[in-house]
Amino acid sequence: AQSVAQPEDQVNVAEGNPLTVKCTYSVSGNPYLFWYVQYPNRGLQFLLKYITGDNLVKGSYGFEAEFNKSQTSFHLKKPSALVSDSALYFCAVRDLSLSGSARQLTFGSGTQLTVLP
Amino acid sequence: EAQVTQNPRYLITVTGKKLTVTCSQNMNHEYMSWYRQDPGLGLRQIYYSMNVEVTDKGDVPEGYKVSRKEKRNFPLILESPSPNQTSLYFCASSLRDTTMNTEAFFGQGTRLTVV
Repeated sequence: AQSVAQPEDQVNVAEGNPLTVKCTYSVSGNPYLFWYVQYPNRGLQFLLKYITGDNLVKGSYGFEAEFNKSQTSFHLKKPSALVSDSALYFCAVRDLSLSGSARQLTFGSGTQLTVLP
Repeated sequence: EAQVTQNPRYLITVTGKKLTVTCSQNMNHEYMSWYRQDPGLGLRQIYYSMNVEVTDKGDVPEGYKVSRKEKRNFPLILESPSPNQTSLYFCASSLRDTTMNTEAFFGQGTRLTVV
């Protein structure tokens, strides 16, 4: 079965500093990996995805993520954090080895990012 | 504007009183799904639909029903709500393709409290 782990419930970083939100996954085959962000009282918004190709994926709002197959990780990064980046971040995975209806999106438990002014 | 619309946004109800949360999307997406979000558990899928009249159980379907009579709508039905169904609910839709590499679009959420 596929699974996603976000080991940190909470990440605090000072404005202007680089940020990293961690994500590791477990699948039987090749993964599709996604990051979503949830601002207060809002639904989830898509940030970026890894399907194939370059391991470094660039997404919305200056975020990027690096796919590392050997470490089964897909950490979210940003070179310089903004206070407005404070939100709840979710990593998600689809396992391509599964077929048809089993190939659903599995979410991590979420990481609350707080950027301090 | 492309969007997924859920109603109501907030709902307080009593145990056993049937309720429906509506979800509508205007992007002609074939795939729709319902999730519940609980602290520390992330999002768990309740039901999903690959197309009109095609629905299937997700990870936590007990106590819920869905229907997909038309492409744009995917209501979530709680026939007899219980307090353990107090949660934040999200509807999502996406294009259906054979590789399933498309991202999902989410509604703004429905916060349900069952007392």
